[in-house]
Amino acid sequence: AQKITQTQPGMFVQEKEAVTLDCTYDTSDPSYGLFWYKQPSSGEMIFLIYQGSYDQQNATEGRYSLNFQKARKSANLVISASQLGDSAMYFCAMREARTGNQFYFGTGTSLTVIP
Amino acid sequence: NAGVMQNPRHLVRRRGQEARLRCSPVKGHSHVYWYRQLPEEGLKFMVYLQKENIIDESGMPKERFSAEFPKEGPSILRIQQVVRGDSAAYFCASSLEDRPYGYTFGSGTRLTVV
Repeated sequence: AQKITQTQPGMFVQEKEAVTLDCTYDTSDPSYGLFWYKQPSSGEMIFLIYQGSYDQQNATEGRYSLNFQKARKSANLVISASQLGDSAMYFCAMREARTGNQFYFGTGTSLTVIP
Repeated sequence: NAGVMQNPRHLVRRRGQEARLRCSPVKGHSHVYWYRQLPEEGLKFMVYLQKENIIDESGMPKERFSAEFPKEGPSILRIQQVVRGDSAAYFCASSLEDRPYGYTFGSGTRLTVV
């Protein structure tokens, strides 16, 4: 089974609007962390936001927030007030306490911000 | 910029040649991780190293691939006798300790096998 599932290969959003990128995960480990990374066309992986499995509140970092629904095993990324520079690939990832070393990544969502 | 440095950024090899990918971690970081990104896919874990030790190589192909992180110098991912299927982006990340929050990724090396 896939550890991380991103079902939206591509998304479009109007500049200044908000957009939600979906991510569901699969784990039986009670301790895990969820991450979102941005990969612009230049290729580097840029860390955006982190949510721990025991965190009571949804994580926020500037215009990024993570809608964490533990019972549904979803960790959607919300980008508010989209900017042209937000156009990129976005990857959801998970790390489990028991496997420790490695991240499991989804296949990504390509976001295009339209002026 | 004191981030993770990977070189070369782009590497072209003919089938059967060797590819050597270098990764200099953030200064002071002693944990290095290598990931591979095939076209249209997310990153997949390959290997985790500390100085002079391979800690977890569960994601490394059993043949032709090797990695090292010597006491001095960068971490090296070596692919011998490359094949077309090795064409991918190879990312290195480093951390101060084995903590997920402290991961820093490099910009990757894009290997093309012709």
